[in-house]
Amino acid sequence: AQSVTQLGSHVSVSEGALVLLRCNYSSSVPPYLFWYVQYPNQGLQLLLKYTTGATLVKGINGFEAEFKKSETSFHLTKPSAHMSDAAEYFCAVSESGGSNYKLTFGKGTLLTVNP
Amino acid sequence: DGGITQSPKYLFRKEGQNVTLSCEQNLNHDAMYWYRQDPGQGLRLIYYSQIVNDFQKGDIAEGYSVSREKKESFPLTVTSAQKNPTAFYLCASSTASGNVGIQYFGAGTRLSVL
Repeated sequence: AQSVTQLGSHVSVSEGALVLLRCNYSSSVPPYLFWYVQYPNQGLQLLLKYTTGATLVKGINGFEAEFKKSETSFHLTKPSAHMSDAAEYFCAVSESGGSNYKLTFGKGTLLTVNP
Repeated sequence: DGGITQSPKYLFRKEGQNVTLSCEQNLNHDAMYWYRQDPGQGLRLIYYSQIVNDFQKGDIAEGYSVSREKKESFPLTVTSAQKNPTAFYLCASSTASGNVGIQYFGAGTRLSVL
């Protein structure tokens, strides 16, 4: 079984500050990992994904994440927060090589950006 | 434009009533999913379908039913057996071949109880 833990249900940063959203996963096989973003009353939009290869992946809107197998982590970062980054962020995992249609989501982290 | 359309955007259910949420996609995706979102609980899988005329229960299927008669459509019925239906419902789809788990989401339906 796979699971995702997002540390911190709410993160608040100042505009221009570093954004760090934490995600740890559990998977019995090599995982595929994802970050999605959700703006109020909207669906989810894919930010970035890790499947195989380079462990540092870049996504849209200046976000990136690093897959660290030894730490079972996939933290999301952005060097400088913008007001438009305020949203809820979800980390998700699917298992490679198996029935990889299903995603397991974390409970989400709400990002607030202060002016 | 290709995408996933959910309707209605807002829905109200009376006691004892069944209601149906619509989900249509024109992405030619084989797999479709229904999730329920409650504040602070993330997304929980209700049902999913990998091909037409086949679907499987997710983690919280009780009180819900689905059908998959057409590739592009995957309606969800919230039955009167679902005692706490108030939530935000999200539909998603993904390709089957070469799939690495990327799912594309609709804009959601917010269901409330009158």
